[in-house]
Amino acid sequence: QLQLQESGPGLVKPSETLSLTCTGSGGSISSSTYYWGWIRQPPGKGLEWIGSIYYTGSTYYNPSLKSRITISVDTSQNQFSLRLSSVTATDTAVYYCAGHGGFSSGWTLDYWGQGTLVTVSS
Amino acid sequence: QSALTQPPSASGSPGQSVTISCTGTSSDVGGYNYVSWYQQHPGKAPKLMIYEVNKRPSGVPDRFSGSKSGNTASLTVSGLQAEDEADYYCSSYAGSNNLGVFGGGTKLTVL
Repeated sequence: QLQLQESGPGLVKPSETLSLTCTGSGGSISSSTYYWGWIRQPPGKGLEWIGSIYYTGSTYYNPSLKSRITISVDTSQNQFSLRLSSVTATDTAVYYCAGHGGFSSGWTLDYWGQGTLVTVSS
Repeated sequence: QSALTQPPSASGSPGQSVTISCTGTSSDVGGYNYVSWYQQHPGKAPKLMIYEVNKRPSGVPDRFSGSKSGNTASLTVSGLQAEDEADYYCSSYAGSNNLGVFGGGTKLTVL
């Protein structure tokens, strides 16, 4: 059973870059079946899909965040990563990494990491 | 992409049934049979409960069911149990050039 685990700083200063990594275990990030995504949830609010990547490196970004985000994959480490630049307090959220099916399965989010809270504050 | 519309809250007594709606447009919910539902308990990650409108992953009780009519999808929880109290989010595929879109979430209270 695939498990995902987020890692990265819990506190980021305004205007700096948020960097998170998701490590998979019990399964391969190189799987052709799955895409790998980042979803966030501000405290007390709903879910927002940040973006996704396929093992080939193809990326799909939320248009509202596109200018600030970079998602990359490192199949040798069984990891994928998120970078969000120029953060503000509104980027404070629990960030989840997730594995989901592709277009033929409607992007169903099958696997979720436990989530990591990132606070933007000076 | 606009968020899908869910009622902020729903409630029912143990043993009763509750239905939560999720309204989108012909570009998402109405255009594809790719609606999924996620259950989230406080402080926990969301868990997939329903996919492709009405399919249940292994391990999800058959008390949970999904349906769709036009641009509105629904999640029904039958025989409510205390552990069903949680937030529920719908999500829909929105086309090959778009990410999935979420609803705003519904807090289900078991009275």
